[in-house]
Amino acid sequence: DQQVKQNSPSLSVQEGRISILNCDYTNSMFDYFLWYKKYPAEGPTFLISISSIKDKNEDGRFTVFLNKSAKHLSLHIVPSQPGDSAVYFCAAILMEYGNKLVFGAGTILRVKS
Amino acid sequence: DSGVTQTPKHLITATGQRVTLRCSPRSGDLSVYWYQQSLDQGLQFLIQYYNGEERAKGNILERFSAQQFPDLHSELNLSSLELGDSALYFCASSQDGGTNEKLFFGSGTQLSVL
Repeated sequence: DQQVKQNSPSLSVQEGRISILNCDYTNSMFDYFLWYKKYPAEGPTFLISISSIKDKNEDGRFTVFLNKSAKHLSLHIVPSQPGDSAVYFCAAILMEYGNKLVFGAGTILRVKS
Repeated sequence: DSGVTQTPKHLITATGQRVTLRCSPRSGDLSVYWYQQSLDQGLQFLIQYYNGEERAKGNILERFSAQQFPDLHSELNLSSLELGDSALYFCASSQDGGTNEKLFFGSGTQLSVL
């Protein structure tokens, strides 16, 4: 049962343009949503998070938008840089289950220079 | 460098065998998590320990077990290995295992069962 889905396996974007990574979820009880970034041969690293009571959170070039009615969130990267090329995982937390993260399958982002 | 150390980086073994994966958390972190990433899958939560005690359990098979030792390092034991157990196994740590606490991941152990 995939509660968190990233339907686009990959995305290719030109340097300087906006990258938009999407994520859908099925459990309306999730309390927090997070994005992790993963480079080859490294573990995932935390990027940005958003509480379910918010609809936007911004951190520098990264902005996460949450649409609870659509059970959808997205990560915007503006402007995209070649160093952003990585796998991006969307994840969600249900507080009653503690800090257990439910991950999506990931989206490979390639930023072309 | 996340500060989380996993050994070995790669492990190749045969079906039916048993292996042990080791994880040293970041200095000061009391909670350790194990995740499994199979091909084209997201990371699947296996188990969490906090200060030596099991705190949460996910989709961990009965053939798998884990423990966290007094020095806070953790080991994941996989036995009666099957081809389908081939995956990347990540360990992560956090300060006290609270909800929405940022996790720091190691670089993983790539297990290949032949």
